[in-house]
Amino acid sequence: AQTVTQSQPEMSVQEAETVTLSCTYDTSESDYYLFWYKQPPSRQMILVIRQEAYKQQNATENRFSVNFQKAAKSFSLKISDSQLGDAAMYFCAYRSGGAAGNKLTFGGGTRVLVKP
Amino acid sequence: DADVTQTPRNRITKTGKRIMLECSQTKGHDRMYWYRQDPGLGLRLIYYSFDVKDINKGEISDGYSVSRQAQAKFSLSLESAIPNQTALYFCATSDLGRRDTDTQYFGPGTRLTVL
Repeated sequence: AQTVTQSQPEMSVQEAETVTLSCTYDTSESDYYLFWYKQPPSRQMILVIRQEAYKQQNATENRFSVNFQKAAKSFSLKISDSQLGDAAMYFCAYRSGGAAGNKLTFGGGTRVLVKP
Repeated sequence: DADVTQTPRNRITKTGKRIMLECSQTKGHDRMYWYRQDPGLGLRLIYYSFDVKDINKGEISDGYSVSRQAQAKFSLSLESAIPNQTALYFCATSDLGRRDTDTQYFGPGTRLTVL
């Protein structure tokens, strides 16, 4: 079974600065997808970014970007120019790429605090 | 209106009671999921359904049951609630078969407390 580990329970960043959240995963599969979800105090789970394992190029969505290291099984999220609205729990998630691979496996989450 | 809705949003119940959490979606998706969130553990899959006639157990299905009443409705039941089922419960949906765009969309969550 796949596992996802987020080793940083909490990270603090100054407004307008950059913060990087780490995520490692364990899998024997070659075809899979990785995701970062944001959970603000409203509890809503919001997709931030996704990465297909077969793509070498790192995904980017505005101020959010990832560093995908397939051989190291690492998938970190970088938040640039941090804003107060970025304060939330962030979850890394894994999904198999096969036909039945719809299920997400989540890490334990990292809480991001943004200081004004 | 929200695409994925959950009722109730908050519920307090007592040990031994039967409780049902409901999920509805207007996204037209075939696949629906129930997850449970506990502090420090992220979200864990309870049950999932790929269509009305297809129900599958997830990682932590013991103590739970589900019903897929229609494509748009997926309910989670706790037949006899116990305190360690106190958690935040999420419903999610995704589209069928399009693996490259198969993103899961989550409802707002139901906070359940079992006393």
